[in-house]
Amino acid sequence: AIRMTQSPSSFSASTGDRVTITCRASQDISSYLAWYQQKPGEAPNLLIYAASTLQSGVPSRFSGGGSGTDFTLTISCLQSEDFATYYCQQYYDYHPTFGPGTTVDIQ
Amino acid sequence: EVKLEAAGGNLIQPGGSLRLSCVGSGFTFSSYNMNWVRQAPGKGPEWVSYISGSGGTIYYADSVEGRFTIFRDNAINSLFLQMDSLRDEDTAVYFCARQRGGSSSSFDYWGQGTLVTVSS
Repeated sequence: AIRMTQSPSSFSASTGDRVTITCRASQDISSYLAWYQQKPGEAPNLLIYAASTLQSGVPSRFSGGGSGTDFTLTISCLQSEDFATYYCQQYYDYHPTFGPGTTVDIQ
Repeated sequence: EVKLEAAGGNLIQPGGSLRLSCVGSGFTFSSYNMNWVRQAPGKGPEWVSYISGSGGTIYYADSVEGRFTIFRDNAINSLFLQMDSLRDEDTAVYFCARQRGGSSSSFDYWGQGTLVTVSS
């Protein structure tokens, strides 16, 4: 199985900050990478797919980059509603796997 | 509006069985591949099973292979997960999730989740 890691596991930030989360795959997954946002008690919400394509309705302050094994999710100007946990997911093969998550909380 | 509504979660003893269901609306259900994803308390999501739009192709995670069965009834826009020989480690919120495109694609819509608790 393809293993996904994320860093950092959590951090504190302030509204207006630019933040970047990193995701690494244990093998080359090309651009078969998605990012999800999850808030407590809710289902994950798709933000980005194909490593860098913004899902319809997602604010443009979210952006994704990378290919192969190393990927990033950047929030250009953190808003109050962005404090949540973020997961990367590879869907390169028929057994998709998720990263352990990165929690962004209020400083 | 696309909606997925999962149901069927309950408290069940180890070794027991449970069937989850998920009803889709607002889209052509039979045209989309569907999945079950679970999330144990305090953990990240874990993919459980996949079924193609026609039901002809199915995959399972190693952790549930041989114990869980995924199936669908496109006539009633429904997805199911039959869970047998349940274990403590199957305790989780179970989500149904639609795939955005082909078999290698992300999950664009998720149900609200249904809680399965396996405990004696």
